[in-house]
Amino acid sequence: LAKTTQPISMDSYEGQEVNITCSHNNIATNDYITWYQQFPSQGPRFIIQGYKTKVTNEVASLFIPADRKSSTLSLPRVSLSDTAVYYCLVGDMDTGRRALTFGSGTRLQVQP
Amino acid sequence: ETGVTQTPRHLVMGMTNKKSLKCEQHLGHNAMYWYKQSAKKPLELMFVYSLEERVENNSVPSRFSPECPNSSHLFLHLHTLQPEDSALYLCASSPDRGRNTGELFFGEGSRLTVL
Repeated sequence: LAKTTQPISMDSYEGQEVNITCSHNNIATNDYITWYQQFPSQGPRFIIQGYKTKVTNEVASLFIPADRKSSTLSLPRVSLSDTAVYYCLVGDMDTGRRALTFGSGTRLQVQP
Repeated sequence: ETGVTQTPRHLVMGMTNKKSLKCEQHLGHNAMYWYKQSAKKPLELMFVYSLEERVENNSVPSRFSPECPNSSHLFLHLHTLQPEDSALYLCASSPDRGRNTGELFFGEGSRLTVL
């Protein structure tokens, strides 16, 4: 499984756009990039997933450059409730028999 | 509500007790997982079941014993645990559709305290 590197923590203010970048230099051809959000004492929650270029949903955008060695999760206009840990995962679950490995994540603190 | 329900949400047990954690998914998924999350540590994968067959066991001590009677239910049987086993235990499920791109659906977790 490809190893990921992301900042340990980030701080932001309400209403700002937050970009969290994840490095995955050893990403394989079949690997997808998935981001999860986790609040304290809860299970992680899927945010967005992509393979290349840009993906956008109602919550976030995911930017993936052509070489796919990194990705950036973009959260528009964050609020206090976006304070959480964000995990970047890379892998191919291949018929569901291999689960993704979670790294340390990025702890985002949103201030008023 | 993620469609994955874990019970109990909180459990306190002594080192000589035997207890079980239960997970049920209502999503029609075929793969289920147990993860462990200790304080200030990343999630650690413990077990993976696909179509009720255990396909991965990440060197978990034998005091943790998983059981998957069908694709909707997953248990984690606990016996003679140690205080360092205190953690949040998370169950997850995913579709098993041949080209699974990795979306895991997690339950709320069971907070275990071993005295």
